Amino acid sequence: DTGVSQDPRHKITKRGQNVTFRCDPISEHNRLYWYRQTLGQGPEFLTYFQNEAQLEKSRLLSDRFSAERPKGSFSTLEIQRTEQGDSAMYLCASSPPVSGGANEQFFGPGTRLTVL
Amino acid sequence: GQSLEQPSEVTAVEGAIVQINCTYQTSGFYGLSWYQQHDGGAPTFLSYNALDGLEETGRFSSFLSRSDSYGYLLLQELQMKDSASYFCAVRGTDSWGKLQFGAGTQVVVTP
Repeated sequence: DTGVSQDPRHKITKRGQNVTFRCDPISEHNRLYWYRQTLGQGPEFLTYFQNEAQLEKSRLLSDRFSAERPKGSFSTLEIQRTEQGDSAMYLCASSPPVSGGANEQFFGPGTRLTVL
Repeated sequence: GQSLEQPSEVTAVEGAIVQINCTYQTSGFYGLSWYQQHDGGAPTFLSYNALDGLEETGRFSSFLSRSDSYGYLLLQELQMKDSASYFCAVRGTDSWGKLQFGAGTQVVVTP
């Protein structure tokens, strides 16, 4: 399978716990994005990596959220002290290193987080 | 920043043509993208308009008019499998990689 993969697909946690999600982009893609999507809404941008550099981060993202891409390949998104409002689908996407590549992003299946 | 508006739902019969409009407000952007998302699935890229005019990809076409801050996605010869949510999105010139999505249009295709 050469698509974007995410793990886990589902996560149920209790309020206050920390969770970590993993994303493996398409192998030749150097750009990686994280989004959050709630029911009935479009994906909401969280952060963007080009190789291992985090170049953009949403101002809406609280300090409880952190993302890494240490070797420019897979990425992790951590949420600390989860709140019920964090319940959402967390989507990862990647795109190739071509001009305008950011306009066509390839999405993974997402991790559905439920905070009880 | 950017904001995009699109209708929440459109219903049509198989074989019909559906047009999903997207109006936007932005200080500057590279182009307008369209994504399809089936229930429980991942968004899938459909088309991108960098310049004004019509782009055709099989049964789907997309249009952009920068002067009118408006674009649309045209779905022709509707099939049941086209039942999905469709999102327009822009990437602002002040952004490295952020796509700003609309709230989506639910297309319901009936027999």
